[in-house]
Amino acid sequence: AQSVTQLDSQVPVFEEAPVELRCNYSSSVSVYLFWYVQYPNQGLQLLLKYLSGSTLVKGINGFEAEFNKSQTSFHLRKPSVHISDTAEYFCAVSDEDNYGQNFVFGPGTRLSVLP
Amino acid sequence: DVKVTQSSRYLVKRTGEKVFLECVQDMDHENMFWYRQDPGLGLRLIYFSYDVKMKEKGDIPEGYSVSREKKERFSLILESASTNQTSMYLCASSFGEREQETQYFGPGTRLLVL
Repeated sequence: AQSVTQLDSQVPVFEEAPVELRCNYSSSVSVYLFWYVQYPNQGLQLLLKYLSGSTLVKGINGFEAEFNKSQTSFHLRKPSVHISDTAEYFCAVSDEDNYGQNFVFGPGTRLSVLP
Repeated sequence: DVKVTQSSRYLVKRTGEKVFLECVQDMDHENMFWYRQDPGLGLRLIYFSYDVKMKEKGDIPEGYSVSREKKERFSLILESASTNQTSMYLCASSFGEREQETQYFGPGTRLLVL
């Protein structure tokens, strides 16, 4: 079974500064990896996903993430954040053999962008 | 655009009541999911369904049941609501094909059990 760790429960950062939200996973098989964002009082919205191919994945709102198989990581980055990026971010993993029926989510990282 | 809708955004129920949470998706997705979201715990899978009338238990099925009579609709049932079921409930759906693994989420239902 796979698992996901998000080491930082909260990340405060000033507007226009860069940010990295960390995600590590464990799995015995090949995986699909995802980042979702949840704005206050809303459901989750897909930011980006890694299924195969290039390990650098670009998503919406200027976010990108890099899949590192040797370090079992999928960290999310943005070079310059805005106030509107304040939200909770979830990393998720789904294994290649399970046809999307078994997502495992991390506990989430709350990003607070300060003026 | 994929659309997943949930019948209520906010719900207040009393202990012991039977509660129905409805979820509808409009993209002919095979898979549908019910999660609950609690602070510090992230999302935990309650049940999922990969076809009409098919269901599988997730990580925390106790106290819940589900129904999927039509492909587009997946219902979560709390047979006898308890205060520890106060939570945010999120429905999701996905195609189920190997290269289409994305889950699409509804806006959530915030349930308060008094």
